[in-house]
Amino acid sequence: DTAVSQTPKYLVTQMGNDKSIKCEQNLGHDTMYWYKQDSKKFLKIMFSYNNKELIINETVPNRFSPKSPDKAHLNLHINSLELGDSAVYFCASSRRGASYNEQFFGPGTRLTVL
Amino acid sequence: AQKVTQAQTEISVVEKEDVTLDCVYETRDTTYYLFWYKQPPSGELVFLIRRNSFDEQNEISGRYSWNFQKSTSSFNFTITASQVVDSAVYFCAFGNEKLTFGTGTRLTIIP
Repeated sequence: DTAVSQTPKYLVTQMGNDKSIKCEQNLGHDTMYWYKQDSKKFLKIMFSYNNKELIINETVPNRFSPKSPDKAHLNLHINSLELGDSAVYFCASSRRGASYNEQFFGPGTRLTVL
Repeated sequence: AQKVTQAQTEISVVEKEDVTLDCVYETRDTTYYLFWYKQPPSGELVFLIRRNSFDEQNEISGRYSWNFQKSTSSFNFTITASQVVDSAVYFCAFGNEKLTFGTGTRLTIIP
């Protein structure tokens, strides 16, 4: 009965590789997000989708491409991985917008680029 | 643009002491929401509370209480009679079109 799930939990890969992280929510929420948390714990939004439509796209390298096949899923694909991409990536969901609804976070995916 | 400042990077207190985590925000918006999240050592992010900008009533939930003051743009969080399980990083966040997080305060409760 997990609310927001992410796979994989850990991802270790070499520079230059392409990898994907998957996220699913079973809360019936309309909006999903990707956040990046760096080694200093700074948490920053990357993307937001509402009903499969991209509504927030922060200043993120275009090596990062989110995809929402339906409103319960939001995947993150990263091309040509770099050392600086090492971080914990959190998926989250909320009812409608971020402004007034609490977000429920997944457990995070720790990405390590060697 | 919005900004959230958590000036306390790290706090350590002895168990059973009270502790207050500060949060100050900057915005020109009149309608907005404020949040607190907890990130325990296990790494997940746990929602604690949401307040809207029109509701300045303080809130208490067990040992947790929140003090929202628009006049000082602050939304402080107090833990009463702290316990070791309260050890975590606590994030304050501001919400309008998106959620902007503060840099977090690492709270360590010493047994």
